[in-house]
Amino acid sequence: DAGVIQSPRHEVTEMGQEVTLRCKPISGHDYLFWYRQTMMRGLELLIYFNNNVPIDDSGMPEDRFSAKMPNASFSTLKIQPSEPRDSAVYFCASSLAGGLNQPQHFGDGTRLSIL
Amino acid sequence: SQKIEQNSEALNIQEGKTATLTCNYTNYSPAYLQWYRQDPGRGPVFLLLIRENEKEKRKERLKVTFDTTLKQSLFHITASQPADSATYLCALDMRRGAQKLVFGQGTRLTINP
Repeated sequence: DAGVIQSPRHEVTEMGQEVTLRCKPISGHDYLFWYRQTMMRGLELLIYFNNNVPIDDSGMPEDRFSAKMPNASFSTLKIQPSEPRDSAVYFCASSLAGGLNQPQHFGDGTRLSIL
Repeated sequence: SQKIEQNSEALNIQEGKTATLTCNYTNYSPAYLQWYRQDPGRGPVFLLLIRENEKEKRKERLKVTFDTTLKQSLFHITASQPADSATYLCALDMRRGAQKLVFGQGTRLTINP
C-alpha cells in the first residue's frame, strides 16, 4: 500500500510568494494532520481534519496559513504571503479513527525555504 | 498544556549494548504514549504504543515502559545495531481525550560499531 504522499519534496521561493503544499493521505484513513518541524521548536501540530472537516486549527501560526481538505484523498496547506520564518519541514500524517490508540503515518515532508 | 522532555539531545552507544531513552511529561497522565523513529530527511515512523494501564510493551528488540507515578516512559533497544541509529521521538495526547499529539524534541541515537 502507498503511504502518505506529499508534494513537492522541496520548495524554494522568495518572500511574499504564495506557497501550496499538497498531501494525499492513506486510503481509508479518517484523520489528517499537518505538522511543522524546526530545530528550535521540534514537531508542532498546525491543524487536523476528521472526515475532511477541520477540527482544530489552534496551531496555525497566523492568518497567512490556511488548510483545506476538499475530499478524503487530498489536502493542501497554503501560506500567503510567505515569510523567511516560515522556512521549515512540513509533514502531513494520517490515521484511522479510534483516537490516540491509532498510530499516525507520516509522509516524508516538504522542505520549504523562503528567501 | 502538556510538556514533554526527552533526555539528552544525543546519545552514543556501543554496538551490542542496550540503549535507553527517557521521556518525561508534566501535568496530567496521558491515556496513551507513542514512540516514533525518524531518519534524516524522512518523516517519523511509528514504533510502539503503550496505554496508561500497561506497564510494559515489547516488540522484537524494543521495549517500552510507562510509569504514571514518575510521569515517565523509558524506551529500550537491546542488542543495539548501527542500523538503529536515528532520532527517536515520544508523543502523547495534548490533553485528555483529545486527538492531538504533542511530540518531544527527540533524542538522536548513534550506535557505534
